[in-house]
Order: sequence, then C-alpha cells, then structure tokens
Amino acid sequence: EADIYQTPRYLVIGTGKKITLECSQTMGHDKMYWYQQDPGMELHLIHYSYGVNSTEKGDLSSESTVSRIRTEHFPLTLESARPSHTSQYLCASSPRDREVDTQYFGPGTRLTVL
Amino acid sequence: KNQVEQSPQSLIILEGKNCTLQCNYTVSPFSNLRWYKQDTGRGPVSLTIMTFSENTKSNGRYTATLDADTKQSSLHITASQLSDSASYICVVSDRGSTLGRLYFGRGTQLTVWP
Repeated sequence: EADIYQTPRYLVIGTGKKITLECSQTMGHDKMYWYQQDPGMELHLIHYSYGVNSTEKGDLSSESTVSRIRTEHFPLTLESARPSHTSQYLCASSPRDREVDTQYFGPGTRLTVL
Repeated sequence: KNQVEQSPQSLIILEGKNCTLQCNYTVSPFSNLRWYKQDTGRGPVSLTIMTFSENTKSNGRYTATLDADTKQSSLHITASQLSDSASYICVVSDRGSTLGRLYFGRGTQLTVWP
C-alpha cells in the first residue's frame, strides 16, 4: 500500500466556488503528478513537479494551478469551479533518479460541480 | 501518433477461470510498459513493469508478456478471483523526454462472477 493521501475523497460544490484538492505523500518522493480521469477514459496528465518550487503543466490543458512548497505536499487549486471540471483527480508520486520509476497513486478525489 | 490501444474494452468471466488482456501500442521510442490495476473509485496500483529487454514478468497470478518487435503486450490472469474485478490499464513510457512521458490506455474492465 502506497503512502500517498488525497482529501477530500468526494466533493460536490456549486459553480464559481474556489476549491483546493490536497495531496500528500510520506515516501520522500521528489516527483509528483496530477492526473484527470473521466469514467471509462484514459488518465491525462495536467500538472507535474520535479521537486520543491518546481511545477509544470502537463499534456492536458487545465484551468487549475498547483504549488510545491514542501516535498510531501502538492495541492491543486481551482479558483472558480465550473461543471466542466467535474471529473476524478488522481495524484501520484515517484522517486527521482531511477531509470524505471513506478508511480504510486493516491485514492483520488471525485469532484462534481453543479 | 503515439497511442495505446487495449482490448477487449470489457470482459466477464467466472471465478476460477483464466483470461488474457491485450495491449497494442505505437509509442516510439519505447522505454518500458506497465500494467496497472485500478479498483473502482481508487487509484491505479502497479502490477508489472517491463523494459525493452524483458519479454515476460510475473506477479503472483498475473503474468505480463511483451513483444517489442510487434509492439504488443498481454496480461494473463490465472485462476481468477472475485477481487480481480477491476480496470486493467496498460501504460507505455517513451524515452523522448526527461519526464519519460507516459501514454495510458483506456483500460479493460474485468468482472469476475461467482
């Protein structure tokens, strides 16, 4: 079982609200990722980080933002949620300096925007 | 275009039976191929990772094969159990960037009936 945690697990909010999805890992991993996954569809990378103060946008354009102030913490923020943001958001981490690194996933946050 | 295609999209088998899931990819260059298991409402969990030089790898009742020449992989599940019901995702990594970009398939939804 991977030591990576996401809160909340489920969130239902109204349009226009600001939300922050939390992700924490206790494995000391340098690399962290945020993926978006719709039902029956593949995971899409929306943000990643190689370490503290390092953040990059992924392949799928997203209106969300991320920060990496501490190694273990990689929160994702939506300033103004819209129904199009309804999806499952998965956080993952992996150790640096490995040729083949396994990504460890959190349990996910299922977001519904009304 | 780099793609990962999985088949079948869904599969129902009886408990105790074996099954094989397929993954075809067009990702180039190729670094490694991973199979993940994703339970409903949870994050993916790594089952196997295979590099170019490996053509088979086992993890308990799960056996993955890789044919890098034909760009095909399979995941064989032996003596299925009810707990095997999940989505099985094939993921291919390229060598084209420092990130080692991952390409995700849409998964095969396996249901095991008693």
